[in-house]
Amino acid sequence: ETGVTQSPTHLIKTRGQQVTLRCSSQSGHNTVSWYQQALGQGPQFIFQYYREEENGRGNFPPRFSGLQFPNYSSELNVNALELDDSALYLCASSRGTGLYGYTFGSGTRLTVV
Amino acid sequence: EDQVTQSPEALRLQEGESSSLNCSYTVSGLRGLFWYRQDPGKGPEFLFTLYSAGEEKEKERLKATLTKKESFLHITAPKPEDSATYLCAGFNSGGSNYKLTFGKGTLLTVNP
Repeated sequence: ETGVTQSPTHLIKTRGQQVTLRCSSQSGHNTVSWYQQALGQGPQFIFQYYREEENGRGNFPPRFSGLQFPNYSSELNVNALELDDSALYLCASSRGTGLYGYTFGSGTRLTVV
Repeated sequence: EDQVTQSPEALRLQEGESSSLNCSYTVSGLRGLFWYRQDPGKGPEFLFTLYSAGEEKEKERLKATLTKKESFLHITAPKPEDSATYLCAGFNSGGSNYKLTFGKGTLLTVNP
């Protein structure tokens, strides 16, 4: 079975710009979650999508938004980028709620200058 | 607010020197406690899920245990390839808000 794939692997953006990150979920998984991991920190929950609906959100402002598509792939969009948005963005997929485990991708390293 | 605290922040061991990593948690309505391993520049790799106090799980040189307040990851006779950051996370649901709350991790270095 294929794992979770994310693109791009690295990205450099200028403050104020917008960015879209992409994620393909593992085969058989219908839930996708996004996490932000700053350097030296644990991942922080951004939001989760189940069957194309957002079903959970962490403490992130509305300029962080997402989509899930019928094939369960997902996008994370961030508007009006700030320097503090520089981080590793991780996508994780699971079956149902995620209680029985999440599979993480390798992440997208975003640098905002 | 849900919180997960891991200690120590960093641990340096000699090959073969056993030790334990600690994860203490205050997660409302905890439904599962996850352990992940993360190598530099990579995403977390699943190790274990523990669902109830008293549960133990083992995989090669690793054993995870769970109490009502904390979890331990015991590493027996570690090898250099066990060097990584080990992350602990509590899984809960507030209404329909399912999520993992992670600690900051323990950076383990095993010297040959």
